[in-house]
Parts: sequence; C-alpha cells; structure tokens
Amino acid sequence: SYVLTQPPSVSVSPGQTASITCSGHKLGDKFVSWYQQKPGQSPVLVIYEDDKRPSGILERFSGSNSGSTATLTISGTQAMDEADYYCQTWDINLLFGGGTKLTVL
Amino acid sequence: QLQLQESGSGLVKPSQTLSLTCVVSGGSITSRDYSWSWIRQPPGKGLEWIGHIYDSGRTYYDLSLKSRVTLSIDRSKNQFSLTLKSVTAADTAVYYCARIRTNRNWFDPWGQGTLVTVSS
Repeated sequence: SYVLTQPPSVSVSPGQTASITCSGHKLGDKFVSWYQQKPGQSPVLVIYEDDKRPSGILERFSGSNSGSTATLTISGTQAMDEADYYCQTWDINLLFGGGTKLTVL
Repeated sequence: QLQLQESGSGLVKPSQTLSLTCVVSGGSITSRDYSWSWIRQPPGKGLEWIGHIYDSGRTYYDLSLKSRVTLSIDRSKNQFSLTLKSVTAADTAVYYCARIRTNRNWFDPWGQGTLVTVSS
C-alpha cells in the first residue's frame, strides 16, 4: 500500500525558514495538500494542489512537489507556527503522512 | 462561511455501533464540486481517512474499514452521517467531518471534532 513519510520533528529558530518534507513513490505525479494542527484544535488546510494557498493563509507558507518529495516551506517562522503538520494525497485510498511536529526554538 | 458540526455518542461499548452526524451550515450540502468526509485521529496519533460521500449518495471508503463503515446523507437536513459497527478500543479517536474537493481531494473546512471512546 502507498505510504507517505514525514520526519517526526523539525526545529527552527524564529525568523528562519522551516522545511517539512513528505516522501512517497512518484509523489510528484499526485496532488499534495498540507494541514496545520495546533494542540486541541482541528486541522487547517494551509496548502492544496501542491502549491496553492487558501484565502486567509499567510504568504509565508508555500509548497512544492517534484519527483518523490513534496515540501512545505514556512518563511520567517514565528512562534505561532509551532504545530503538527500533515501532508495528504490519494492513491487507492486517501491518506495522510504521519505528521511532523514543528518546534520554534 | 461554511461550518460543520459533529454530534453523536461519546461513549460506545465494544462490539456495538458508533453513530455520528455532521450538520453543515452556511452552505448547501448539494454540490457538484464538493463531497463530504469523515476523518479520525486516535489519541496522540495521526489522521486517518474513513470515507466520503457525494450528494448523490455515492460513497468511497478506506479499504481497511470498508466492511464496518456506512456513510449516509440527508439533503433535507443538510447533514451527513457515519456508522461504524463492531467497534473495539482501537476505534477510540476524535472524529472529524470535513468537506472534500471533488477530484482534487483536499479537505476544507473541518468540524471541531468529537471524541468517541470505546469502553465497557
């Protein structure tokens, strides 16, 4: 079955750029979405269709997808960006990556 | 602004049936561009897609849950529902409903989620 692999954790200093990766077989041939989930809250869509940003999502969030890796990039990371991030695509099933905990140190 | 709100039983005994409803407000559940989905999250774990349903009633289910899951839709009440039978402790999770973009498969918005605990 298809698997999406994310690093369990990523750390970044305030103001720096955070990159969260998501890997899967020929993932670049599929659309990838990204969700932000803060503790005790529902997930929020931050990137859809690889690189599109929903209205209301800050321009600091961007996405790319090529080959076998999709990447969520957060520029000028702030403390408010500290959250779990999940990538998502579909194969036979809709599926999510295991999630990455972003820590802003 | 479209909003989704889950409701249903918060405690279910093992081997019994879990039932949840998601009420959609601020928009119609009848749409060519969107369908309606359930996703769950076991405590401290990641997100798991359960299935989704079109306003026509057509359904898609996660293969691992397909034998136990049924989704239904009530256009007159602007709501859709999930039933999961023969539950075990492994079904304990926060259950979310969400709108899903047809053929693009992204979820937005999500409901606030409801915790369902399977315990005797």
